[in-house]
Amino acid sequence: DQQVKQNSPSLSVQEGRISILNCDYTNSMFDYFLWYKKYPAEGPTFLISISSIKDKNEDGRFTVFLNKSAKHLSLHIVPSQPGDSAVYFCAASVNGAGGSQGNLIFGKGTKLSVKP
Amino acid sequence: DSGVTQTPKHLITATGQRVTLRCSPRSGDLSVYWYQQSLDQGLQFLIQYYNGEERAKGNILERFSAQQFPDLHSELNLSSLELGDSALYFCASSPHLEGFAGYTFGSGTRLTVV
Repeated sequence: DQQVKQNSPSLSVQEGRISILNCDYTNSMFDYFLWYKKYPAEGPTFLISISSIKDKNEDGRFTVFLNKSAKHLSLHIVPSQPGDSAVYFCAASVNGAGGSQGNLIFGKGTKLSVKP
Repeated sequence: DSGVTQTPKHLITATGQRVTLRCSPRSGDLSVYWYQQSLDQGLQFLIQYYNGEERAKGNILERFSAQQFPDLHSELNLSSLELGDSALYFCASSPHLEGFAGYTFGSGTRLTVV
């Protein structure tokens, strides 16, 4: 049973436009959410995170929104750039994203392609 | 370079064999995590070590084992390999046990079982 779901395997966006990547979760105990970006032949790299006590976190072109009632979060990239083309993974955790347990639950990822 | 080193980068072996994957965490990081990414799957948590001790276990098969050594590097041992064990195996490290300080992932080991 997947606790973190990314229902769109791929997304194609024009350069300069907004990219919106979505993620749904089922476990109401999750209290920390993260987005990772992964290029081919590299490991995932941390992008942005949000605590469950917030509904928005912004870092430059990247904004993560959290809707706890809907158990949904989204990552907005504005404006999108060709270098943003990668696989984006949504992840969630209980007890402060790593706490004493340390493990993150990942979605299957969404492949973003930003076309020039 | 993320600072987390995984070796080897690629490994091809036959069914029934045993392999060892190695991970050197980022300098100063005490926690090491192992994840498996099979085809079209997300990253599945296998096991975590903190300062030499096992801290958390995920969906790790009994054929798999891991350890963290005094110098903090970690090894993941996979035995009696099956075709379905073919996957990318990622190691990640972080400095803290409590609270979030972020994971840093290595570039992974691609295991192919033939």
